[in-house]
Order: sequence, then C-alpha cells, then structure tokens
Amino acid sequence: ETGVTQSPTHLIKTRGQQVTLRCSSQSGHNTVSWYQQALGQGPQFIFQYYREEENGRGNFPPRFSGLQFPNYSSELNVNALELDDSALYLCASSEGQINTEAFFGQGTRLTVV
Amino acid sequence: AQSVTQLGSHVSVSEGALVLLRCNYSSSVPPYLFWYVQYPNQGLQLLLKYTTGATLVKGINGFEAEFKKSETSFHLTKPSAHMSDAAEYFCAVKATGGGNKLTFGTGTQLKVEL
Repeated sequence: ETGVTQSPTHLIKTRGQQVTLRCSSQSGHNTVSWYQQALGQGPQFIFQYYREEENGRGNFPPRFSGLQFPNYSSELNVNALELDDSALYLCASSEGQINTEAFFGQGTRLTVV
Repeated sequence: AQSVTQLGSHVSVSEGALVLLRCNYSSSVPPYLFWYVQYPNQGLQLLLKYTTGATLVKGINGFEAEFKKSETSFHLTKPSAHMSDAAEYFCAVKATGGGNKLTFGTGTQLKVEL
C-alpha cells in the first residue's frame, strides 16, 4: 500500500472541456509529480511540485497546469481538452525534491470523446 | 538528457523459466536506474533501483538487475517465472542531482505460460 490516492479513478470528458484531477500524497511527502501514460506507452513527466511551487516541467503545453496545497496534496488541471489527452494520469509523491524514491498512485483514466 | 530503450515490447516465457527483460540507457551524467511493474489498471510499483554502490541490485518478488556501465545496460532478471509475474515492466532513468523527474522506457509486456 503506497498511500498515494488519486481521484477520480475514471473520467469521461468532451473535447474542449476542462478537467481537474486530484492527488493526495503519502504522509510525510512534500513533493508531487504528475505523469501522463498514453495507451501502450511509458509514463511521460508533466511537472513536479515541491512545497507548493512548480520546480520542473516536461514537454507539455501551458494548458496543463497544477497546484500543490499546504497539506502537499495536488491538482492537475487540463484546459481545452483534446482527443490525444486521453490517457492514464499518474501522480507520484516523494520525500524531498531530489533523488528520492517516488511512490505512485493507481492513476486516473481520462477519456476524451 | 537521459533516455532508456527497452528491447522487446512483448516477452513470453514458460512458468519456471528464466525471465530476462532488457534495458539500455543513455545519460550524460551518472544515472540512477529503476525497474517498475504495472499490473492492469493499476499504478507503478517499484521493483528495484540502482543509485550507487553494488552493481547487482536485488528487488522484490525475486527480481534482480545488474548495472553494467560498459554496456550502458540494466537488464532485469528472475531465475524462475511465476504466473503472478505477468504484467508490464518499465525501466526508468533519473539524472543524479536532477530533481525527481523519471524518464521511462516504452515498457515490456511479460506473458507467463503454463
């Protein structure tokens, strides 16, 4: 049991809509990272938050944004959804921002129609 | 920049046979290397990791991997496959001192047959 929980587990949205995915980090962890895993692919790094600030970003457009709250939980927001945004979104938490082990949640499966 | 290449998107073995999943990495700095397992509709579970020190790393469920700098490889092995090992396996690399960003390979689907 990793202790990282994500909600919802499944979501269906229409192209052009906006979506918010949520992640509760493991107790004691102050860093959250988000990954997008398209079908048949490995996870791709979206961004990382450390103590409520974004401190690393992958090759994703600005319509992918996030927040981290004082309790270190996090949200991933995606605006203007596109069909290619359909994927499993994974959240990982860790204790510290550098070279620490990441623990993954079970993911949120987003389908854009 | 770091990257990993997993050779073979699908591997099939018989129960009790050796499991060998291949991973080669590219990194401009000494890397940290990881193997994760993913069961259907679940997140990623860490099997093992190499950071520094001993190059032969033992993980959970009887898996192990050896870091070979000369071959830029980090292949995953298990002496005897079990039906419960059927899953997708991902190799990942992280740059030392480079934050917590993991760069994953495309994955290898392991099938275990009776």
